[in-house]
Amino acid sequence: DTEVTQTPKHLVMGMTNKKSLKCEQHMGHRAMYWYKQKAKKPPELMFVYSYEKLSINESVPSRFSPECPNSSLLNLHLHALQPEDSALYLCASSIQGPGETQYFGPGTRLLVL
Amino acid sequence: SQQGEEDPQALSIQEGENATMNCSYKTSINNLQWYRQNSGRGLVHLILIRSNEREKHSGRLRVTLDTSKKSSSLLITASRAADTASYFCATGLQTGANNLFFGTGTRLTVIP
Repeated sequence: DTEVTQTPKHLVMGMTNKKSLKCEQHMGHRAMYWYKQKAKKPPELMFVYSYEKLSINESVPSRFSPECPNSSLLNLHLHALQPEDSALYLCASSIQGPGETQYFGPGTRLLVL
Repeated sequence: SQQGEEDPQALSIQEGENATMNCSYKTSINNLQWYRQNSGRGLVHLILIRSNEREKHSGRLRVTLDTSKKSSSLLITASRAADTASYFCATGLQTGANNLFFGTGTRLTVIP
């Protein structure tokens, strides 16, 4: 299995909802990432989970919270989001550290109403 | 903050022509990577060039790296309509947890 999967593909939520995005890889990669991407912009790193250590981008609001149940799964819990959080959320993984080749999932298109 | 700047921002060429896009970055790197993204989809890794390499080829792709100028270029030869996508450079740094930074991207359109 050489792919990163993400569910759901699309998500529409209200500002009071709680939802979760899921990401899974079975390539034995030791690092996983969440990125946020707005239209016509590059991906922005939100969180890195590398060798069982979570690194956080300090600019990410607390309404986003990552969870890594095991080395193959990475979730992103969403709560009380704002309309400006609408974006494409991409998950990626790499064999080792963040500076190496990353393998991306297809993304979750999120719309916050 | 992003590490790389790409130019041009957008490029439109005829099928069969070559496409060249450039990436400049700011700090010392371990490697530089190029990724492709079709509209609204995930990124696909194309090629990685390490800081001690100057040129690398993969199929119709040719990547150069000039660490003295902190710049790289991606050449796609004999372009096809299916090459239409956004192309991003990304720099892998030597230290730090958040050490893969994406450039601003070039939107390539190949006209059949």
